[in-house]
Amino acid sequence: GQQLNQSPQSMFIQEGEDVSMNCTSSSIFNTWLWYKQDPGEGPVLLIALYKAGELTSNGRLTAQFGITRKDSFLNISASIPSDVGIYFCAGQRNAGCPSYGKLTFGQGTILTVHP
Amino acid sequence: DAGITQSPRYKITETGRQVTLMCHQTWSHSYMFWYRQDLGHGLRLIYYSAAADITDKGEVPDGYVVSRSKTENFPLTLESATRSQTSVYFCASRETGGGGELFFGEGSRLTVL
Repeated sequence: GQQLNQSPQSMFIQEGEDVSMNCTSSSIFNTWLWYKQDPGEGPVLLIALYKAGELTSNGRLTAQFGITRKDSFLNISASIPSDVGIYFCAGQRNAGCPSYGKLTFGQGTILTVHP
Repeated sequence: DAGITQSPRYKITETGRQVTLMCHQTWSHSYMFWYRQDLGHGLRLIYYSAAADITDKGEVPDGYVVSRSKTENFPLTLESATRSQTSVYFCASRETGGGGELFFGEGSRLTVL
C-alpha cells in the first residue's frame, strides 16, 4: 500500500531544544495532518494543512504543507517534557480518488525529552 | 459522552481462538476505521466503513472480519487469531467531508499466545 516515509524514527533531545521532523511521499496528497500519541492513548490531531505551501502554527508547533504536495514538516520549538510521545504524519487524497476518506500514516517519530 | 470507546482495552488469547474487538462512537460519524499499530510500521489500516452496511478493505485486511449493522458500532473480529496479530488496535471515526480529521479511541492491546 501507499507509504509515507517519516523521519527521523526517534529523537532524544534536551528540554528547551527545537525539534524538526518530516514526511515524504512518492505521490501527491491534498491534505496533510500531524498527530501526537501519548503513551497508552490514541493519536490526537495537532495540525491540519489543506493547501500547498501553507504554513500553520499551533502554539509552539509549526507545520508546513510542501509546495510539491509530496511532503510536510513539523517543528516544535522550545521543547518541554510533556512533548514526549509519538508523532505521526498522515495524508489524504482528494474526493474522487479511490482512496478518498482514508488516511495514510507515516511510521511515526518517537520523541524523548530529557529535563 | 466518551465519544469513541473501545473494548476490551487489554486481551490475551491463544492461537486459533476467535476474538472480537468492539468500537462504539456517539457522534453519528459516517466513517469508521480500524488500524493496527506495530513498532516500525506506524498505523496500518485494516478495514474501514463509509456508512452502515458499507465496508471495505484497507492495507492489511487478511485474517480480519468487520461488520457495521449500526452507524455507531464497528466490531473487528479475528476469526482464528495468530501470533502475528499481536498488536495494538485503534478504532477511529470521522465526519463525511470535512478536513479528514480522525478521532481515535484509546486502543485495544491484543496478545496472541
